Amino acid sequence: GAVVSQHPSWVICKSGTSVKIECRSLDFQATTMFWYRQFPKQSLMLMATSNEGSKATYEQGVEKDKFLINHASLTLSTLTVTSAHPEDSSFYICSATGLAGGQNTGELFFGEGSRLTVL
Amino acid sequence: RKEVEQDPGPFNVPEGATVAFNCTYSNSASQSFFWYRQDCRKEPKLLMSVYSSGNEDGRFTAQLNRASQYISLLIRDSKLSDSATYLCVVNGDNFNKFYFGSGTKLNVKP
Repeated sequence: GAVVSQHPSWVICKSGTSVKIECRSLDFQATTMFWYRQFPKQSLMLMATSNEGSKATYEQGVEKDKFLINHASLTLSTLTVTSAHPEDSSFYICSATGLAGGQNTGELFFGEGSRLTVL
Repeated sequence: RKEVEQDPGPFNVPEGATVAFNCTYSNSASQSFFWYRQDCRKEPKLLMSVYSSGNEDGRFTAQLNRASQYISLLIRDSKLSDSATYLCVVNGDNFNKFYFGSGTKLNVKP
């Protein structure tokens, strides 16, 4: 099945620094990528949706200048948390859908998640 | 109204029990339906897709009721390893739009 690789799996950084998280689709063309955030014991919260080559669409309440999303190719999307603060500490997960063998994959494929801790 | 709604639980059941979850969705034009399983501190993993005719995979049975706009997941002979959060995911009338339920937590106890 389709695989999405996400890294780093965990990162610890100082307050004020920026952190970049990468999400790669390994065997399909990820035409659409989704970025989520999940706080402990809470459900997944969609942050933004990005289509390859277009600007991301952010959900209400998510600051686009703080969470920069780039989806410049069909196999790579990045999320950069700029000027991270302790309240940004969370589990960030990407997922993708797209084309495999010319057909829509239909389902969502998730990356392994990145656990960010901001000191 | 939320696009997808689930009972958050937790459902606490003994080993061997049968447990069922429902999930309702609001968009009657929704095309695809899935159950994902998420273990603590891990990413969601696809458990099964839900087909119009219903489908079964071992101890797991998923069903779709379009008239009442809900999907269900039935787990028979619960195992300790079934303890997880089960997410209902509905694809809208646009392949690029997925809606998540908040998840139903299942605890299977010895």
